[in-house]
Amino acid sequence: GEDVEQSLFLSVREGDSSVINCTYTDSSSTYLYWYKQEPGAGLQLLTYIFSNMDMKQDQRLTVLLNKKDKHLSLRIADTQTGDSAIYFCAESIRFTGGGNKLTFGTGTQLKVEL
Amino acid sequence: DGGITQSPKYLFRKEGQNVTLSCEQNLNHDAMYWYRQDPGQGLRLIYYSQIVNDFQKGDIAEGYSVSREKKESFPLTVTSAQKNPTAFYLCATGRRDRENTEAFFGQGTRLTVV
Repeated sequence: GEDVEQSLFLSVREGDSSVINCTYTDSSSTYLYWYKQEPGAGLQLLTYIFSNMDMKQDQRLTVLLNKKDKHLSLRIADTQTGDSAIYFCAESIRFTGGGNKLTFGTGTQLKVEL
Repeated sequence: DGGITQSPKYLFRKEGQNVTLSCEQNLNHDAMYWYRQDPGQGLRLIYYSQIVNDFQKGDIAEGYSVSREKKESFPLTVTSAQKNPTAFYLCATGRRDRENTEAFFGQGTRLTVV
């Protein structure tokens, strides 16, 4: 089945680390993504991880993947007010014959407080 | 200027009317997608197209129609059969020939039924 779950809200203080969690159910996904959405805008790709990796770090962002538990997390170090947004995880499901679709989680609203 | 253009940004529809949302891209991507976003529900796939003159229903296609006559364009029509059309609509594109096919998003159209 295809279902991606996230908690709806997360509140952190500026300077702290944020950890956003995601659980997916399709073990055939080869790539998993994190997107950021600011109010009234489209989605911006933050980072992605290939399914044979456990961790990927990109500046303040760290992605951890536990394939056995189908658990994905995004850690934002030194969270700033500009990080306030909705964060979506997504899994890529490949079609037979080429092409793919992305299945998105419900999104986590991150609020950064001073 | 490369990218995905959605228009209009805001759209108001009277009950019983059909409306068409525009999505144009100059990224030369084969795949195009339409998603609907509602608060707390994440993104749900309406229709997708992997190639010109071909498209497939997504998870919530009822009450919507699309066409893909040109590679650059994938318009979405919200028909009067769609019972609850008020939502934020996002168009996305992706490459079809790569394993890692992250989606690139437009800025969205907010549709309100009045």
